[in-house]
Amino acid sequence: GAGVSQSPRYKVAKRGQDVALRCDPISGHVSLFWYQQALGQGPEFLTYFQNEAQLDKSGLPSDRFFAERPEGSVSTLKIQRTQQEDSAVYLCASSPLGPGEQYFGPGTRLTVT
Amino acid sequence: GENVEQHPSTLSVQEGDSAVIKCTYSDSASNYFPWYKQELGKRPQLIIDIRSNVGEKKDQRIAVTLNKTAKHFSLHITETQPEDSAVYFCAASEGYGGSQGNLIFGKGTKLSVKP
Repeated sequence: GAGVSQSPRYKVAKRGQDVALRCDPISGHVSLFWYQQALGQGPEFLTYFQNEAQLDKSGLPSDRFFAERPEGSVSTLKIQRTQQEDSAVYLCASSPLGPGEQYFGPGTRLTVT
Repeated sequence: GENVEQHPSTLSVQEGDSAVIKCTYSDSASNYFPWYKQELGKRPQLIIDIRSNVGEKKDQRIAVTLNKTAKHFSLHITETQPEDSAVYFCAASEGYGGSQGNLIFGKGTKLSVKP
């Protein structure tokens, strides 16, 4: 079946612009995670949804970052007033229910110039 | 919170040799330990995982061992092939009960298999 998909795959933004990154999880997966991966580093947790409820946003680096999953399926990560330090690959992962195997999307590479 | 350390950061082996990557974790509540393979520009792919009620798990040329007492786990790849070349990440999470299961990753090991 179809895996996790993300769009766009690449995004270039000028500093100060707002961006929106989309994640389509595997159909039926209850849990959805967002991670940020800096160059040469492991992914770092940003936020977690169980269905439409955002249960943990402790990893969001600032209040410029906002995530939603209004119908419990597709999720959007929004970054307002982008800064150069926001440049990274943003990965989405989904899981059938709670802890366990997570399946990653291809990521969105964000470059802020 | 949980902290995962991974060694070595780079590993170069000859084709056919074995490769071992080691990780330690700090939170004794962690009980789920996956390993991901990430090729350049690609998504992390789950290659094997282990839960804390098991000491070892094997899948063809790949095996993972877990020592709960020492809080370390290792990935073993035997008979390495050039297509095994990639960055490998270990991770840890609380895998049971009410935990949400977000993963804490190591910094990765870049494995190069020379033909």
